[in-house]
Amino acid sequence: AQTVTQSQPEMSVQEAETVTLSCTYDTSENNYYLFWYKQPPSRQMILVIRQEAYKQQNATENRFSVNFQKAAKSFSLKISDSQLGDTAMYFCALETSGSRLTFGEGTQLTVNP
Amino acid sequence: DSGVTQTPKHLITATGQRVTLRCSPRSGDLSVYWYQQSLDQGLQFLIHYYNGEERAKGNILERFSAQQFPDLHSELNLSSLELGDSALYFCASSGRGLAGITDTQYFGPGTRLTVL
Repeated sequence: AQTVTQSQPEMSVQEAETVTLSCTYDTSENNYYLFWYKQPPSRQMILVIRQEAYKQQNATENRFSVNFQKAAKSFSLKISDSQLGDTAMYFCALETSGSRLTFGEGTQLTVNP
Repeated sequence: DSGVTQTPKHLITATGQRVTLRCSPRSGDLSVYWYQQSLDQGLQFLIHYYNGEERAKGNILERFSAQQFPDLHSELNLSSLELGDSALYFCASSGRGLAGITDTQYFGPGTRLTVL
């Protein structure tokens, strides 16, 4: 069975600063994929970034980047130059074998002006 | 806009009733996934269909059922509704979803179900 743990229920950051959200996971699979999704107040689930476990290079998408530590089973999300629109619930998710996503509990991020 | 559509956006019904939630995947996507988001249980996988066939089941109650039609849209049927079924129900689609092949899942806007 797969598990995903986000140990920070809430975080806050000042606009333009950098924040890192933590995620740890557990799986016995060798091939898997990790994702960060954001859920703003509209409740829409929006893909932020994706990481393939077989890739050593950390994924980046504009202001969003990850620190993927495979041996430690850690997958953190760094948001640079935080903007007010980044305020949302962030979910870490794990997928194996082309099927279900297993989600963490979520981290509510608030960006303060 | 993810390209995944869900109807209705909101649904209010009474205990014991039956409802149907509808999902249209992104153009070309063969896989449809259903998830339930509730306050006490978080985001949970319910069921996965690929090209009309059931591929995987998660924590889906026996009172719930789903199907995927030849045009690839999917319906989630919830019957004998209870107060605890109140939740946000998401549909997601992806291009493949075959064993060992992963494609990113894109989510629809969700259907908010309230059972009174």
